[in-house]
Amino acid sequence: GQQVMQIPQYQHVQEGEDFTTYCNSSTTLSNIQWYKQRPGGHPVFLIQLVKSGEVKKQKRLTFQFGEAKKNSSLHITATQTTDVGTYFCAGRSFQKLVFGTGTRLLVSP
Amino acid sequence: GAVVSQHPSRVICKSGTSVKIECRSLDFQATTMFWYRQFPKQSLMLMATSNEGSKATYEQGVEKDKFLINHASLTLSTLTVTSAHPEDSSFYICSAKPGTGHPETQYFGPGTRLLVL
Repeated sequence: GQQVMQIPQYQHVQEGEDFTTYCNSSTTLSNIQWYKQRPGGHPVFLIQLVKSGEVKKQKRLTFQFGEAKKNSSLHITATQTTDVGTYFCAGRSFQKLVFGTGTRLLVSP
Repeated sequence: GAVVSQHPSRVICKSGTSVKIECRSLDFQATTMFWYRQFPKQSLMLMATSNEGSKATYEQGVEKDKFLINHASLTLSTLTVTSAHPEDSSFYICSAKPGTGHPETQYFGPGTRLLVL
């Protein structure tokens, strides 16, 4: 079945450093969504990308959808302690949303 | 913004009992609701998709007789874990997709932590 993998599984950065998580799907996606889940919380929708090669920005977050619509990335510039959490990509294929394995981000002050 | 509630937020039960979890969309009508389970430090695994007024579609490997889903209205879906066992202990999260506005967006409930003793 469809698999969505993310790397790295875990990253620990100092506040102010940049962070990137990569998402790779085994199948072509119609769109990709990104979610953030704080410890003990539930996933919160961040953004959706639809077009091949699309890039969207939300303040310090930059999201990119690959040309082949099989991979995506989330880049955070100058991380802050409030960025702590697990970031999941979720790829939509054949009407089904499949979550990636997640990248857990820890930011030290 | 769209709000999805789940009840209960936490439940502890004895092995062999059944547990019902409710998922409600509070300020929108949800044409479709999804049920996920999440083990500690793992990703969300889709269990089933439910559309109002029709039978739920279960993912491969999910027992439909064990995880009963009822989507009685456009704002309520329930998941009943029948004859729960310790291995069913998990974080169960529902999400709801609006029928209008941004239909591709899913709004997640706060989750229900189930512990089966």
